[in-house]
Amino acid sequence: DQQVKQNSPSLSVQEGRISILNCDYTNSMFDYFLWYKKYPAEGPTFLISISSIKDKNEDGRFTVFLNKSAKHLSLHIVPSQPGDSAVYFCAADNTDKLIFGTGTRLQVFP
Amino acid sequence: DAGITQSPRHKVTETGTPVTLRCHQTENHRYMYWYRQDPGHGLRLIHYSYGVKDTDKGEVSDGYSVSRSKTEDFLLTLESATSSQTSVYFCAISETGTVNTEAFFGQGTRLTVV
Repeated sequence: DQQVKQNSPSLSVQEGRISILNCDYTNSMFDYFLWYKKYPAEGPTFLISISSIKDKNEDGRFTVFLNKSAKHLSLHIVPSQPGDSAVYFCAADNTDKLIFGTGTRLQVFP
Repeated sequence: DAGITQSPRHKVTETGTPVTLRCHQTENHRYMYWYRQDPGHGLRLIHYSYGVKDTDKGEVSDGYSVSRSKTEDFLLTLESATSSQTSVYFCAISETGTVNTEAFFGQGTRLTVV
């Protein structure tokens, strides 16, 4: 049973526009969420996180929103750049370990 | 970058042979993890360790064993490799588990079982 879901396997966005990546989770006990970015042939790298006591966290072009009642989080990238093209994973903290979604491949085109 | 080294980076092995992957860290972090990445499945936890000689299973642990005799090293062993274990394997480390902190990943090991 997938506890963290990313229902869009891919997303294509024009450079300069907003990218919105979505993630849903099923376990209401999750209280800390993270986004990782992964380039081909590299390990995932941490991007941004949010605690359940907040509904928004911002870091430069990246903002994560958390809607606890809907068990939904989203990552906004504004403006999108070609270097943002990668696979993005959301993850939930599950007592000393991270549970990951299946990933969304973002392509930013000129 | 966090000091994590995975070895080997690439390996091709035959079905039925034992394989050991190594993760070495220089950060003195308590927690270490092994994940596998497969298309359509994202990253799935195989085993993790919360201290020397302290390990626990993840969601896809069947066919794998681990050992951690030193803080810096976490070994993943496939006792008898099968084609379904063809995957990219990632090691990760975390200072305090994942409580309000992130995990850092290694570069990955691409394993092909033929």
